[in-house]
Amino acid sequence: EVQLVESGGGLVQPGGSLRLSCAASGFTFSSHWMGWVRQAPGMRLEWVANIVQDGSEKFYVDSMRGRFTISRDNARNLLYLQMNSLRAEDTAVYYCARAHNAVFDIWGRGTMVTVFS
Amino acid sequence: DIVVTQSPLSLPVTPGEPASISCRSGQSLLQSNGYNHLGWYLQKPGQSPQLLIYFGSNRASGVPDRFSGSGSGTDFTLKISRVEAEDVGVYYCMQALQNPITFGQGTRLEIK
Repeated sequence: EVQLVESGGGLVQPGGSLRLSCAASGFTFSSHWMGWVRQAPGMRLEWVANIVQDGSEKFYVDSMRGRFTISRDNARNLLYLQMNSLRAEDTAVYYCARAHNAVFDIWGRGTMVTVFS
Repeated sequence: DIVVTQSPLSLPVTPGEPASISCRSGQSLLQSNGYNHLGWYLQKPGQSPQLLIYFGSNRASGVPDRFSGSGSGTDFTLKISRVEAEDVGVYYCMQALQNPITFGQGTRLEIK
């Protein structure tokens, strides 16, 4: 079964850091672009970042570039999102997703990140 | 950034009746390869989004054939031929022609 499982979310104070992980299974992880999409409570979906198959290229939304870093470990089928200098507005459910045919075709269940003071 | 705008934002539908959602883009999503980089998703209550349509009109694997996508360039439509109770949720369109990838505001479909 094709599956993505996120972990690493939680409560953090403003200015703090978190690293999210996404474990992939059921498909050839190293053959696909991967991405992170987030959704603040009651809000629309918001793309965060993408990474190409071998990790050599990474793309970010401007508001998160420099604070967030996407990476991957193809040997362990893992995708990561390192989040630094977190702000209240980063509070959201963070989804890991597989990119294919210019869409995200497989999504994880998400992990909640809450930034509070 | 490419802005994608959906309408309506709320869509009450009687079961068995058709439904239609519009998605308009601030610029053409037609790539040089002939594909429109526009996808449709359904986010059911309490769940993660699920892909319905890719390249504007291609149904994703396992998606019932009552769902169809059409359009090209800047104007796209998602149609449900006969709405069922399980179709309740928020529908999003997404453009992936250029970064940043952007989503529409979402259309909430509810059963009358």
